[in-house]
Order: sequence, then structure tokens, then C-alpha cells
Amino acid sequence: GAVVSQHPSWVICKSGTSVKIECRSLDFQATTMFWYRQFPKQSLMLMATSNEGSKATYEQGVEKDKFLINHASLTLSTLTVTSAHPEDSSFYICSARAGAAGNSPLHFGNGTRLTVT
Amino acid sequence: SQQGEEDPQALSIQEGENATMNCSYKTSINNLQWYRQNSGRGLVHLILIRSNEREKHSGRLRVTLDTSKKSSSLLITASRAADTASYFCATGIGSYIPTFGRGTSLIVHP
Repeated sequence: GAVVSQHPSWVICKSGTSVKIECRSLDFQATTMFWYRQFPKQSLMLMATSNEGSKATYEQGVEKDKFLINHASLTLSTLTVTSAHPEDSSFYICSARAGAAGNSPLHFGNGTRLTVT
Repeated sequence: SQQGEEDPQALSIQEGENATMNCSYKTSINNLQWYRQNSGRGLVHLILIRSNEREKHSGRLRVTLDTSKKSSSLLITASRAADTASYFCATGIGSYIPTFGRGTSLIVHP
């Protein structure tokens, strides 16, 4: 149980275009989802916390107009990288929590490898 | 939010040996969690240990928690080549905004 599906697995796009990444909780409802970015051999950097029905909370230094997050339902959050540039190339991972905060593990999608040419 | 820091950064062992990695953190926690990440994939939750627990087992995994030293260890016994991955700890308090350290990169040679 507690499966998170992330789509697409990888995407190559041209500079200036926008890319949407979907994160779905398949068998549970996730009021909160988290979006991370990971560079090679580095840690996961928390970008934002996505809350169903409200605005996302962005971490310091993350441009909210650049990385648009929508959490329209209890099972779907999307991250749109707008006007992508080569420096946005990275591995993006979403996660969701099945239960209440504090004692519930996170369930991760398999990530999306974004390459901007 | 707070960050757990894993060490060593990298660990290379032979199949059948035990692997131990550590996590240190800075403030009080409700629980500590260990995750595994295979190359190019998302993270998989391995085990959660609560702040009032000192040791927990799951299969070949053994996790200890020392809240007085603000540290945890993950022991993988009788390692296999399939255990090759990066291992991360995650900590948090209250509303539990999960953040991660750089992880320990484990390579198990067959």
C-alpha cells in the first residue's frame, strides 16, 4: 500500500518551454505533498510543501513563479517548471504522507529526470 | 525543519559483511526515519524509530537511537549486492517538515 506515482519519469525539453510533473497518491489521500530537487550525488533539497486546497509553502530561495505547484485534490499535486532553462535540469522527486504528521513515513515517487537543452 | 547528517559519506564492503551508517541531528525529535535510494529512483522508507525507542529491527536492518547524543545508526547485516544504494535519515519535529542530509553511499561488492 501507500504508492506514489510520479509522471513522467524523464523529460527533455527546449529552453523556454514549460514542463508539468504530476504526483499522484494511488491508494491513499494525501493532504500534504512535498517536492524535492536533487543534484547528482547530493541530498534532496526541499523546494515546497504542497497543501490540498491552499497555496504551497515554498522554501527560501525557491522562486514560486518559476516552480508552480497546484494541489487540486487529495491525490494529485503538480509541479510546473515554467520557462525552463538548462540550470533547471535536475532530478525532481515528490513525496506524500499517508497519515498525520509526526509518526507517518513519507512515500516517494520514482522521480522525474528533467533535462533542458 | 531540521536536517540529519549521515556519515560516512561513502562505504564500500564485500557481500556478507555488515554495513553501519550513522545519522546525527541537532534538536529534539518525535521520530527518526531511514530511507534508501537506488540510483535514479525515489526514496523508499525503511524504518521509523520513535524518540522513546532505543532499538528497532526489521529483517536484516537494525536501527538504534540515542537521544542523549542526538544520533542514530543503521546496521545492515549480511549485506547483499542488492543493498547497494544511498541511505538517508530524516528528522523533524512538530509538523514534521522532512529534510535530508547528503546520505551514505553504500557499495556492496559481490
